[in-house]
Amino acid sequence: DAGVIQSPRHEVTEMGQEVTLRCKPISGHNSLFWYRQTMMRGLELLIYFNNNVPIDDSGMPEDRFSAKMPNASFSTLKIQPSEPRDSAVYFCASSLEGGRGDTQYFGPGTRLTVL
Amino acid sequence: DAKTTQPPSMDCAEGRAANLPCNHSTISGNEYVYWYRQIHSQGPQYIIHGLKNNETNEMASLIITEDRKSSTLILPHATLRDTAVYYCIVRLGVHDMRFGAGTRLTVKP
Repeated sequence: DAGVIQSPRHEVTEMGQEVTLRCKPISGHNSLFWYRQTMMRGLELLIYFNNNVPIDDSGMPEDRFSAKMPNASFSTLKIQPSEPRDSAVYFCASSLEGGRGDTQYFGPGTRLTVL
Repeated sequence: DAKTTQPPSMDCAEGRAANLPCNHSTISGNEYVYWYRQIHSQGPQYIIHGLKNNETNEMASLIITEDRKSSTLILPHATLRDTAVYYCIVRLGVHDMRFGAGTRLTVKP
């Protein structure tokens, strides 16, 4: 079975450019999560979707960040304009939400470097 | 606030059992204990979870104390590939997993 798929795996861009990260959740899962990991702050939840609807975006750092989930098999996280402090590894995770024991499965991550 | 306390690092000899402790003294009755690990440069990997009873799967065993204020993850026969950061997480909500600093486990030959 394919796990969570993320693309690209690595992204290097210059400050001010738009960056789009992509995620394909595990088939049949109805919840999707975007996380960011840095040395300073560890792993942080940015936004959570359930049935393609954003439920909690309180972790999104600022208006430069936006996320969409147009269908059950695809989500994007966009940063516009990007800044050097956005450099981090971004993870997408998905789960089948149906009770308090549901488990999140993570993708391999996208390592973003903003110069 | 990750609601859990773990030692920052531990060593284990290859082939021996690795016992990773976690304190979660403020856990509430309906919160699960989850364990994930992260091998360098990879996404966090689910290991096991439990509510009250001890749990075992092909990767590990989870021992939860009767008062639920602490737990131990046991890797029965550690290998070099088990070297990773191990996270103990108490689920605050259906979607809210707070990752702390975890325990960096080093398995040595």
